Amino acid sequence: DAGVTQSPTHLIKTRGQQVTLRCSPKSGHDTVSWYQQALGQGPQFIFQYYEEEERQRGNFPDRFSGHQFPNYSSELNVNALLLGDSALYLCASNRDPGETQYFGPGTRLLVL
Amino acid sequence: EDKVVQSPLSLVVHEGDTVTLNCSYEVTNFRSLLWYKQEKKAPTFLFMLTSSGIEKKSGRLSSILDKKELSSILNITATQTGDSAIYLCAVDLGNTDKLIFGTGTRLQVFP
Repeated sequence: DAGVTQSPTHLIKTRGQQVTLRCSPKSGHDTVSWYQQALGQGPQFIFQYYEEEERQRGNFPDRFSGHQFPNYSSELNVNALLLGDSALYLCASNRDPGETQYFGPGTRLLVL
Repeated sequence: EDKVVQSPLSLVVHEGDTVTLNCSYEVTNFRSLLWYKQEKKAPTFLFMLTSSGIEKKSGRLSSILDKKELSSILNITATQTGDSAIYLCAVDLGNTDKLIFGTGTRLQVFP
């Protein structure tokens, strides 16, 4: 039973560039949430996708956008990268609201 | 503003010691409290607590929720070096189905 997978594992970009991160949920899960974890901090909720729609959003600017595909996989896009966007980006999936969210290994993004 | 606070921020112990990690919360809507262990990247699920006073156990780890005090503790007995990690506490906000995390407690266990 494959868990949550994310790609790529690491990424280096320069300021102003755009990045796309990918996530495949755990088998049987249809809800995907994205989190940003800065160094020394707990994960912060970016947004959540269910049935290909953004269902909830945290306090992140519009530069952060996402998409969910019919197979429940998801993408996180960040435009006009800033140095402060350097972080570990985690994807989590669950089956139904209120059920445990399981996390992927994350993508570590470094913006120079 | 919803917030989750963990203490201590950091803990250094020797193998065999027992540790207690604390988590307190102030949120507008509560569905459950979760504990995760983060060693390198992926937080791995430990416990989900929804009812006050009912202890959940898994091997040497146990956790309990106190809804009156808006807090939870995670106990680890007979610690091992493999317990070294960051332990994250999160609250599920229910109607919004998003998790609010604390900053974590970094536990280091030395032989």
